Amino acid sequence: AQSVTQLDSQVPVFEEAPVELRCNYSSSVSVYLFWYVQYPNQGLQLLLKYLSGSTLVKGINGFEAEFNKSQTSFHLRKPSVHISDTAEYFCAATKAAGNKLTFGGGTRVLVKP
Amino acid sequence: GAGVSQSPSNKVTEKGKDVELRCDPISGHTALYWYRQSLGQGLEFLIYFQGNSAPDKSGLPSDRFSAERTGGSVSTLTIQRTQQEDSAVYLCASSPSSASGSYEQYFGPGTRLTVT
Repeated sequence: AQSVTQLDSQVPVFEEAPVELRCNYSSSVSVYLFWYVQYPNQGLQLLLKYLSGSTLVKGINGFEAEFNKSQTSFHLRKPSVHISDTAEYFCAATKAAGNKLTFGGGTRVLVKP
Repeated sequence: GAGVSQSPSNKVTEKGKDVELRCDPISGHTALYWYRQSLGQGLEFLIYFQGNSAPDKSGLPSDRFSAERTGGSVSTLTIQRTQQEDSAVYLCASSPSSASGSYEQYFGPGTRLTVT
């Protein structure tokens, strides 16, 4: 069975500082990985995805993530955060197109001025 | 173009009543998913439709929960005899055909269900 673990439930960070959100997955089969962002009272918006190829994936809003197969990780980073990045971030995995997403527990990012 | 829409945005119901939640996917998307987001359980998969059939219903928590999809488009999630533990945000997502190799799911804004 697939599982996704986000190691930090909350991450406070100052504006213009870098941030890293950690995600680890376990799967006995090939896995495809995603990061979604959820702003207050909104649905989920895709930040980036890893399907294959380059292990460094760039997404929207200046976010990037690195797929590390040996460490079964897919950590999300942003070099300089803005107040508007305050949101909850979810790491998710699926084993094939048309399959359900398995989500991590979420990481709440609070950007402070 | 229009994204995934869900209605109602908020629903308050009394324990024991039935509720229907509606999802209108992106036009042309053949795959449709329902998820539930609650404080204690995080984001959980409920059911997946490909066209009008549901090859994966493994996430439905009890037989009080059912869903259907007609015309390969709109889907309705029905909860019978609601309980307080059903209080959650119900999210719908859609995706192009799995045959297209698309993995990305597009989410609606959700329906917040409160059972009193």
